[in-house]
Amino acid sequence: EVQLVESGGDLVPPGRSLRLSCAASGFTFDDYAMHWVRQAPGKGLEWVSGISWNSGHIAYADSVKGRFTVSRDNAKNSVFLQMNSLTADDVAFYFCAKDTSAGLYHSGSFDFWGHGTLVAVSS
Amino acid sequence: SELTQDPAVSVALGQTVRIACQGDSLRTYYASWYQQKPGQAPLLIIDNRNNRPSGIPDRFSGSSSGTTASLTITGALAEDEADYYCFSRDSRGLHLDVVFGGGTKLTVL
Repeated sequence: EVQLVESGGDLVPPGRSLRLSCAASGFTFDDYAMHWVRQAPGKGLEWVSGISWNSGHIAYADSVKGRFTVSRDNAKNSVFLQMNSLTADDVAFYFCAKDTSAGLYHSGSFDFWGHGTLVAVSS
Repeated sequence: SELTQDPAVSVALGQTVRIACQGDSLRTYYASWYQQKPGQAPLLIIDNRNNRPSGIPDRFSGSSSGTTASLTITGALAEDEADYYCFSRDSRGLHLDVVFGGGTKLTVL
């Protein structure tokens, strides 16, 4: 059974940093690209970042470029999102999602999702 | 690129409803579709090849024509009331464009 479990969400003041983690199990982790998708309360889904199977390709939404960094550790079946300079616009549930493809530039879908972790930013 | 969806659609119980998603990238790339119920993670219901993942009922189907992708629910059930999102990625340029539609809230009457 595929499982994705996010952790690391918290309430932080504006300008601070957080590191989200996603622990994967039930599939061959290093065969697939992974993504982070967020959803602000009451709003739609927003793709945040993706990383290919071997970290060779990484991409970010314009809204987080330069502030967020995605990485993965295939030995630990985990993907991470380092979030710096957080603002109120970053408040959201952050979901980890598995791609059906190995690369970012290949067509694919997000076939499994975690339950999300909440990031709140407030002074 | 952007993907545009109607914010809300309603359907009578047992009837057929089509949810549309419009965007230039859909001329080249298929959309995938996700269902999200309150308090839950999104669920893939139609993949980028217009196939249903295992466990998804066959009343859900996907199609595409030109710059529009469509999700059709044939014989809607009360349990289909949810938000539906289309998704596509455009890798034609140097910049990878990955985007969700704004979502369509489906009400089953």
